[in-house]
Amino acid sequence: EAGVTQSPTHLIKTRGQQVTLRCSPISGHTSVYWYQQALGLGLQFLLWYDEGEERNRGNFPPRFSGRQFPNYSSELNVNALELEDSALYLCASSLARDRVDEQYFGPGTRLTVT
Amino acid sequence: AQTVTQSQPEMSVQEAETVTLSCTYDTSESNYYLFWYKQPPSRQMILVIRQEAYKQQNATENRFSVNFQKAAKSFSLKISDSQLGDTAMYFCAFMNPLSGNTPLVFGKGTRLSVIA
Repeated sequence: EAGVTQSPTHLIKTRGQQVTLRCSPISGHTSVYWYQQALGLGLQFLLWYDEGEERNRGNFPPRFSGRQFPNYSSELNVNALELEDSALYLCASSLARDRVDEQYFGPGTRLTVT
Repeated sequence: AQTVTQSQPEMSVQEAETVTLSCTYDTSESNYYLFWYKQPPSRQMILVIRQEAYKQQNATENRFSVNFQKAAKSFSLKISDSQLGDTAMYFCAFMNPLSGNTPLVFGKGTRLSVIA
């Protein structure tokens, strides 16, 4: 069974640009979570999608947005990139949101903003 | 809001020995879940062990076990017979399940090095 996949693996952007990161969950998983792992800060929750809807968002500005498609894959968009957006962006998926289930993580996308 | 604190940024242990990683959390909830995740140098996070707060028995998974002290809000991870493959970042995480899965709240992690 394929795990959570993310693309691209690495990305270099300049300040002010926009970026789109992609995530494909494990087959059968309907929930997708996005986390930001910045150096020294651990993982911070960004966004949570389930059944195509945004269920919750973390304490991040509106220039962080995303969506979930009918096949449950998801995109994370970051507009007006700032230097502090440089981080590893991790996507995780889980089964239906009505029960507690393990979140399975992808390998991440390393974003560098210069 | 819940917070998770890992007070040991880095630790090292000799191969075959035992090491304990600390985690404390703060919550006013009575029902919640706690997790330890491992992130090896290749980056993919994997679940090591999970504990449900309403279960008094400490969870174990092979060489990994936890010491869950609910009153003290402490959730430490013990790794026995440490192996080189245990070298990784370890993250403690909290989930308030409400009606099911919700986003995890993570600590800042402990970098564990297992030395041959």
